[in-house]
Amino acid sequence: EPEVTQTPSHQVTQMGQEVILRCVPISNHLYFYWYRQILGQKVEFLVSFYNNEISEKSEIFDDQFSVERPDGSNFTLKIRSTKLEDSAMYFCASREPGSNQPQHFGDGTRLSIL
Amino acid sequence: KNQVEQSPQSLIILEGKNCTLQCNYTVSPFSNLRWYKQDTGRGPVSLTIMTFSENTKSNGRYTATLDADTKQSSLHITASQLSDSASYICVVSANFGNEKLTFGTGTRLTIIP
Repeated sequence: EPEVTQTPSHQVTQMGQEVILRCVPISNHLYFYWYRQILGQKVEFLVSFYNNEISEKSEIFDDQFSVERPDGSNFTLKIRSTKLEDSAMYFCASREPGSNQPQHFGDGTRLSIL
Repeated sequence: KNQVEQSPQSLIILEGKNCTLQCNYTVSPFSNLRWYKQDTGRGPVSLTIMTFSENTKSNGRYTATLDADTKQSSLHITASQLSDSASYICVVSANFGNEKLTFGTGTRLTIIP
């Protein structure tokens, strides 16, 4: 069964550095998402992306964050200048077109900011 | 503010027993309600999706119910197996584009032999 894949599985970065998290969505999916889950807390929506542009974003997704689909397969989340509070698990998800389609999640990237 | 509350926070049951997990939400406008299973260290996996017109949906041993009037949902697991040990998360979509999901904090279910 096709899967959403995320790399790396764990990223350790110094505070203030830029980090790029990578995702390969399922190939026929057109809607893409990023979520984060701080340790012990609930999953939080960051951003949704369709047709090469952001369709919705949360208040968490400030100017430090950006997303890109640089080619036909990858979907990336960039954090420009990381802060300690950015430490979390970041999940990528994708879904097929159509209403009420499930979002398929990757297994996440654990980001640790030192 | 959109919120999804789940109970209990954690639950331990014997293998083979049934259990029911609860979800209450205050999300508007309501589009659909989903139940996800999240194994430790893995991403969430979709179990069911229900729109406001559906009041029950099954996926194998999992049966979800929805009461859109009282804004409550439940997930019933029958004949539990050790592999059912996971967090079960109730998720509500607040618009018809499915673009922004609101997650509950989950119920941590542990099945013991």
